[in-house]
Amino acid sequence: DVKVTQSSRYLVKRTGEKVFLECVQDMDHENMFWYRQDPGLGLRLIYFSYDVKMKEKGDIPEGYSVSREKKERFSLILESASTNQTSMYLCASGPGLNQPQHFGDGTRLSIL
Amino acid sequence: GEDVEQSLFLSVREGDSSVINCTYTDSSSTYLYWYKQEPGAGLQLLTYIFSNMDMKQDQRLTVLLNKKETHRSLRSADTQTGDSAIYFCAARPGGGYQKVTFGTGTKLQVIP
Repeated sequence: DVKVTQSSRYLVKRTGEKVFLECVQDMDHENMFWYRQDPGLGLRLIYFSYDVKMKEKGDIPEGYSVSREKKERFSLILESASTNQTSMYLCASGPGLNQPQHFGDGTRLSIL
Repeated sequence: GEDVEQSLFLSVREGDSSVINCTYTDSSSTYLYWYKQEPGAGLQLLTYIFSNMDMKQDQRLTVLLNKKETHRSLRSADTQTGDSAIYFCAARPGGGYQKVTFGTGTKLQVIP
């Protein structure tokens, strides 16, 4: 089975902090994604990567950056956390263009 | 861009069938994915279907294409209390890399 592992299930940070969310997949997938999930809004794509060192903006990239130095790891960075970034963050990976994405368990991030 | 619409809430009695509808605006959407999210967890892939398929059955789950080609439904026979969760549909156009668009999710409540 595909395994997508997010480093933390719950995280509490303070406004202005730099926050790192880590995601690792074990299936050698080319594509990796970061979403945020908010009630009534579904999933919104923040950034995605289709290869090592490659990144593309999603629908809501403002306030975020990403890093993909190795194929299996995709990091989401909140440069200066703000309270409106309190959310559930979901990482996903996928093997190819038409295959479905596989998700991690999510990180519930609270910014105080 | 693509819009994917779902009703927000559905309540059924244990043992009944449940039908969750999904409407997407882009008629060229080639792939439709269904995910289940249990409380506090990530998204679990249930099934996926290509647009040239009218129906796909996978154990208790059936994905049906309604006569209007941008409307599909996920039908679950003999719904159980363990099926209570949020169900997301996601649509993706074919041809080259195209991002997946998720619906807002349908919260299914199964009443004993």
